[in-house]
Amino acid sequence: QKEVEQDPGPLSVPEGAIVSLNCTYSNSAFQYFMWYRQYSRKGPELLMYTYSSGNKEDGRFTAQVDKSSKYISLFIRDSQPSDSATYLCASRAPTDSWGKLQFGAGTQVVVTP
Amino acid sequence: GAGVSQSPRYKVAKRGQDVALRCDPISGHVSLFWYQQALGQGPEFLTYFQNEAQLDKSGLPSDRFFAERPEGSVSTLKIQRTQQEDSAVYLCASSSPADTQYFGPGTRLTVL
Repeated sequence: QKEVEQDPGPLSVPEGAIVSLNCTYSNSAFQYFMWYRQYSRKGPELLMYTYSSGNKEDGRFTAQVDKSSKYISLFIRDSQPSDSATYLCASRAPTDSWGKLQFGAGTQVVVTP
Repeated sequence: GAGVSQSPRYKVAKRGQDVALRCDPISGHVSLFWYQQALGQGPEFLTYFQNEAQLDKSGLPSDRFFAERPEGSVSTLKIQRTQQEDSAVYLCASSSPADTQYFGPGTRLTVL
């Protein structure tokens, strides 16, 4: 059983719609939560980073962490075709090596013009 | 500036062959990480270096996998006696201490 679960999709939305992505995790020690975007045949790139619970907003992106339900969300407003990619959630416990991230399987998002 | 580079980008090996995958981190980054990403899955942590010291190798799946970073810069991931289940994309990432990881494009390994 993986510690971070994520629906693989694909999730198809029309341009301009809100994209809603989520993950669940099982390790209550996780304190650091990240969302990465990965284009085909590229490495992941960090989009959002959150420590513990709460919301964080950056431009069209909003990340939410609810530690009571072990639920992580990413919202993309005014979606664009260039947002078509795989989105990966990741978590880390304070006791783990800095780079020992636990990734979900990734959700493929397709934004249609 | 240049990002993380990896070579080769694609590698085809026959079962039983040894392979070596190279990672050139961003200049000045002391931390370097290797991940394995199977098709349709998220990256799985393999190992972590700080400078030349391998601080965590808990993710290496077997003793056929070996990583080194002898001068604290370039790193090589070596897989001995490759098996079909080793087919995956191998990602390298680097960072300053406790900072954002920057990933390379990966090496796609196919074992026939």
